[in-house]
Amino acid sequence: SQQGEEDPQALSIQEGENATMNCSYKTSINNLQWYRQNSGRGLVHLILIRSNEREKHSGRLRVTLDTSKKSSSLLITASRAADTASYFCATDAAGFQKLVFGTGTRLLVSP
Amino acid sequence: NAGVTQTPKFRVLKTGQSMTLLCAQDMNHEYMYWYRQDPGMGLRLIHYSVGEGTTAKGEVPDGYNVSRLKKQNFLLGLESAAPSQTSVYFCASSPPVNTEAFFGQGTRLTVV
Repeated sequence: SQQGEEDPQALSIQEGENATMNCSYKTSINNLQWYRQNSGRGLVHLILIRSNEREKHSGRLRVTLDTSKKSSSLLITASRAADTASYFCATDAAGFQKLVFGTGTRLLVSP
Repeated sequence: NAGVTQTPKFRVLKTGQSMTLLCAQDMNHEYMYWYRQDPGMGLRLIHYSVGEGTTAKGEVPDGYNVSRLKKQNFLLGLESAAPSQTSVYFCASSPPVNTEAFFGQGTRLTVV
């Protein structure tokens, strides 16, 4: 089974609104990463948060990590139509040296 | 700077045929991964490698074999293709822990 589960599976918002996606995972981790995938393309890395960090920012992105709840959230502020994509969380599980992905959230930002 | 290159980009196979997907990276990364992506399933790890000459099974290894004879290449083989292996296959590479992974553009495989 997959390590991460994203919620919601799909999200539809208007330009300018904020988008929040959540990720839950099952085992202890070294880090948690968020990736973006445009339709039919490869994945692009957005941000990495280590297990000893609680919050991280990168431009319009804000990621939080709660290791006690085994969950993370990705916030995209002031969304743009160009943010339309699928977003995946991935965990680098402690002791396993492999990157395991969740099921993804499909984000649609309408002009 | 090519990054991660997958060959081929598209392929149609008949049931029972064999093929090899090639992944090449020019970033001197230790770790390499093969994933498959199916609608609604996200990415599932097939096999991975933490260094030249080493491979390990991921979540869905059945029906696939891999080899990492050279550090820069990671090959994924299908010995006897089945329709259930119709998918988009992604290769990725990364340095050791706590770093991002870099992905290829994918191989769309159809088995008929």
